[in-house]
Amino acid sequence: QKEVEQNSGPLSVPEGAIASLNCTYSDRGSQSFFWYRQYSGKSPELIMSIYSNGDKEDGRFTAQLNKASQYVSLLIRDSQPSDSATYLCAPSGTGSARQLTFGSGTQLTVLP
Amino acid sequence: DTGVSQDPRHKITKRGQNVTFRCDPISEHNRLYWYRQTLGQGPEFLTYFQNEAQLEKSRLLSDRFSAERPKGSFSTLEIQRTEQGDSAMYLCASSLTGQLGSPLHFGNGTRLTVT
Repeated sequence: QKEVEQNSGPLSVPEGAIASLNCTYSDRGSQSFFWYRQYSGKSPELIMSIYSNGDKEDGRFTAQLNKASQYVSLLIRDSQPSDSATYLCAPSGTGSARQLTFGSGTQLTVLP
Repeated sequence: DTGVSQDPRHKITKRGQNVTFRCDPISEHNRLYWYRQTLGQGPEFLTYFQNEAQLEKSRLLSDRFSAERPKGSFSTLEIQRTEQGDSAMYLCASSLTGQLGSPLHFGNGTRLTVT
């Protein structure tokens, strides 16, 4: 089992729709969870962080965390063509380095 | 905050040559990470520094790879005797120490091509 698994893409949604991205992780000790967006040929950029169970909203983005189910998701409302990118889920590690372990990403395409 | 800076942006080298990459983290960040990313995969952890101390290395990190962070400021990643399998994007990231995991801020990366 991979440490971090994301729903397989690519995912296509029409402009204005809700895009739903899912992620499960294996390390029960993970305390912090991050979503990164990566455009083709660019480096990852942080879009959301979540530390507690429940929902966290930031503009059109909502992150949801359920530690008991080891599940984290990202909803993008009113999707725009500029949201087309690969989305990476990254829980933090529990060691001293607290390095992030990344999933393989879900490629999202928003169709105009 | 000028962000994380990496140099060079691109490097093409022949198999067997040595290469060195540089990373300048965000100035107030004491944690520095190196990751490697290949096409279609997420970034893969290589090594971590807290200030000048290298505290963790991935088991995947070959002994051809070495990293330093003298004086706890910039860091270098050297790959000796490069192989074609080393072709990847090498990403540097920095963060602040925090009780919970802090988000990583990535540089633009160095894309290595080994021919």
